[in-house]
Amino acid sequence: QSALTQPPSVSGSPGQSVTISCTGTSSDVGTYNRVSWYQQPPGAAPKLMIYDVSNRPSGVPDRFSGSKSGNTASLTISGLQAEDEADYYCSSYTSRSTWVFGGGTKLTVL
Amino acid sequence: QVQLVESGGGVVQPGRSLRLSCAASGLIFNSHGFHWVRQALGKGLEWVAFIATDGNNKYYADSVKGRFTISRDNSKDTVYLEINSLRAEDTAVYHCARDRGVSWLDSWGQGTLVTVSS
Repeated sequence: QSALTQPPSVSGSPGQSVTISCTGTSSDVGTYNRVSWYQQPPGAAPKLMIYDVSNRPSGVPDRFSGSKSGNTASLTISGLQAEDEADYYCSSYTSRSTWVFGGGTKLTVL
Repeated sequence: QVQLVESGGGVVQPGRSLRLSCAASGLIFNSHGFHWVRQALGKGLEWVAFIATDGNNKYYADSVKGRFTISRDNSKDTVYLEINSLRAEDTAVYHCARDRGVSWLDSWGQGTLVTVSS
């Protein structure tokens, strides 16, 4: 199972919006709406930010949103804040009843 | 609140075995599936294994199938990961995480570090 494809890095200034893409295949992202996104600051455990493509857990700011089109899912962070600087990972359930993560994207707030 | 605490990591020689534990609290343990996810130093997350609520359905990443075994003890609210024939590439922090909806991982432990070295 190959990892989902994410850009290695993205950046934006405070107040701007950034979008992180996550490209899979018809065996995972393209077929299942079981795509989730995780935020991982340095040295910390991952934290769930988005589940089932576009749902936000309680406590996650509404600046975070998710979407999907075909084999590609996206995480958009609007109104960028310094505290958003972290690594972000997407994940998808697959047709083999396994899960796969993306390679991760480092978000830098300029 | 949900708390997951991993233990059992350490420095192990190649070829040896190790059993990791994940003690859960603050949840109805037997109502949830659990995952193990690992992360090599400076690298990304790699999904390793999943065990369903009843402990009978288990799934593994191709990279660990045949060497890793996930199990659970519902009487102890604990999930285990047994790792056999350890290799250098198994060196990583191993996190356990609670599954929701056979979809997302909503609570994560801080992880336990496994270092495979002679």
